[in-house]
Amino acid sequence: DAKTTQPTSMDCAEGRAANLPCNHSTISGNEYVYWYRQIHSQGPQYIIHGLKNNETNEMASLIITEDRKSSTLILPHATLRDTAVYYCIVRVEGTGNQFYFGTGTSLTVIP
Amino acid sequence: DAGVIQSPRHEVTEMGQEVTLRCKPISGHNSLFWYRQTMMRGLELLIYFNNNVPIDDSGMPEDRFSAKMPNASFSTLKIQPSEPRDSAVYFCASSLSDSYEQYFGPGTRLTVT
Repeated sequence: DAKTTQPTSMDCAEGRAANLPCNHSTISGNEYVYWYRQIHSQGPQYIIHGLKNNETNEMASLIITEDRKSSTLILPHATLRDTAVYYCIVRVEGTGNQFYFGTGTSLTVIP
Repeated sequence: DAGVIQSPRHEVTEMGQEVTLRCKPISGHNSLFWYRQTMMRGLELLIYFNNNVPIDDSGMPEDRFSAKMPNASFSTLKIQPSEPRDSAVYFCASSLSDSYEQYFGPGTRLTVT
């Protein structure tokens, strides 16, 4: 599975959009981009995933660049409860469903 | 559904003792994962099972660690003998095969003194 690079930490003002970047320059054509988050002292939680088209659900939007070498997770109106570590993961569908989480980005939403 | 259930939630033991962590996956899920999380190494996949069969145990740190899944509703992770460096939070997760969404339990915080 391709390696990902994320900033170690970010801050965001409450009510503003949080934009979390992820670089995956060695991604293969059949690898998906997944985002999970981990709120303090809890297990990780699935947020969203995509292959090459932008995706949106009730939690977030995922923007994948045309060359697929990077992506951005967008939390449109960040709240204090969005303070968490966000993990960007790339993996191939159907190769077994294990995930390798890396170190992620620690997002702090500031009142 | 109660979600993934782990026990105990906290475990404190002395070096050299045997430790057994338990996990009950979500009913109907046929994949189960054990992870370990520390400040130094982050969240590491230890082993995962599909239909009760271990598929990938390459993340198991050494022979002191063993995991079993005797049936679809129960799994154990055993450390024998335990060492202080095993102190971590251990998470169990379950999912449907080839699903993108894993459901995590609340974790077991293990402290080995």
